[in-house]
Amino acid sequence: EVQLEQSGAEVKKPGDSLKISCKGYGPNFSRYWIGWVRQMSGRGLEWMAVIHLSDSKTKYSPSFEGQVTISADKSISTAYLQWSSLKASDTAMYYCARLYYYENTGLYWHFDLWGRGTLVTVSS
Amino acid sequence: DIVMTQSPATLSVSPGERATLSCRASQSVNSNVVWYQQKPGQAPRLLIYGASTRATGIPARFSGSGSGTEFTLTISPMQSEDFAVYYCQQYNHWPAFGGGTKVEIK
Repeated sequence: EVQLEQSGAEVKKPGDSLKISCKGYGPNFSRYWIGWVRQMSGRGLEWMAVIHLSDSKTKYSPSFEGQVTISADKSISTAYLQWSSLKASDTAMYYCARLYYYENTGLYWHFDLWGRGTLVTVSS
Repeated sequence: DIVMTQSPATLSVSPGERATLSCRASQSVNSNVVWYQQKPGQAPRLLIYGASTRATGIPARFSGSGSGTEFTLTISPMQSEDFAVYYCQQYNHWPAFGGGTKVEIK
């Protein structure tokens, strides 16, 4: 079955580092782009960063550039999102999602397959 | 940056009735809009892409329309499992989500 499997919930303190993961299952998964989407409690969706699993080409939302790092390991079809120093305001649900990327058409992407989410809680 | 504005924020509908959700773009995005459904405690699910094409497995009671700056998602007839939050997103430019419309039981 084609699916995205995310790592489990995390509870961290301000200043801690963190790396969460998203593993893709299905044929030829490494040819896809994967993105991370933040959803703070009771709020809407915000895309943060996307990465191509095969060559690790990345794109960041201006709102999140410099705040997080996206990376990938194509050998295991896995994307990662990491923070070097968490803040309480990073508390949120983080979804990974597969892009349907209209590459080379002048268009961008939407998300056609979603993981179940990783809840990150940052509290002292 | 393109801003996507959804209205209303909350829509009260009775089962069996029609729900009409709106999404407005701050500038033209042609037909490059998708709609997602998110139920409580679940991840979003793709419903509609290209403004009007249903994604795989999406029932025919969901329909999308519009182009340019005005888009509509219609659900008719509403069923119990359709009460959820709905988001639009444009991909004509740097992607942007709308703020969502919560469809609740009247």
